[in-house]
Amino acid sequence: DAGVIQSPRHEVTEMGQEVTLRCKPISGHNSLFWYRQTMMRGLELLIYFNNNVPIDDSGMPEDRFSAKMPNASFSTLKIQPSEPRDSAVYFCASSSSSGGAYNEQFFGPGTRLTVL
Amino acid sequence: EDQVTQSPEALRLQEGESSSLNCSYTVSGLRGLFWYRQDPGKGPEFLFTLYSAGEEKEKERLKATLTKKESFLHITAPKPEDSATYLCAVRPTTGGFKTIFGAGTRLFVKA
Repeated sequence: DAGVIQSPRHEVTEMGQEVTLRCKPISGHNSLFWYRQTMMRGLELLIYFNNNVPIDDSGMPEDRFSAKMPNASFSTLKIQPSEPRDSAVYFCASSSSSGGAYNEQFFGPGTRLTVL
Repeated sequence: EDQVTQSPEALRLQEGESSSLNCSYTVSGLRGLFWYRQDPGKGPEFLFTLYSAGEEKEKERLKATLTKKESFLHITAPKPEDSATYLCAVRPTTGGFKTIFGAGTRLFVKA
């Protein structure tokens, strides 16, 4: 298995531009998580999906952020318009929840976003 | 409020010098506690899951233990390749799949 795939790995953009981050979870996993990691705030959960349905988006910082999961093998995190304070590493993770067990999350390599 | 605190922030060890990392947590109820390892420029990598007080798990030089208020990650005779950031995370009984991460402990092992 290729693991969780994220693209792009690095993104540099200018303030005000739209940014779209992409994630392909591990096949068979039914939960998907988007995190943001910074030196100041550590790893923060932004939103998670279960069976393609957004369950908790309370971590999304503001309306400029949106996430979608149109099918079990693809998710996007969009920032529009982007701001310098959005600069961070964004991770996608996936997990399975078979038989009522809440299993560990498998993380992708991350997208390093720099907003100038 | 659910909270996870890790200490120390950074730890420098000589190769072979055993030590422990601490993870203190405050949650209304604990569904599970996780330990991850993160290398620079990479995503966190799963190490252990602990579910109840008294539980222990081992993997090579690492052993994780759990009490009602904290977890320890014991590192026995560390090697330079154990250098990484170790993250602790908790999943409360409320909040579904929500997982709260600590800030991590950066471990440096010198040969």
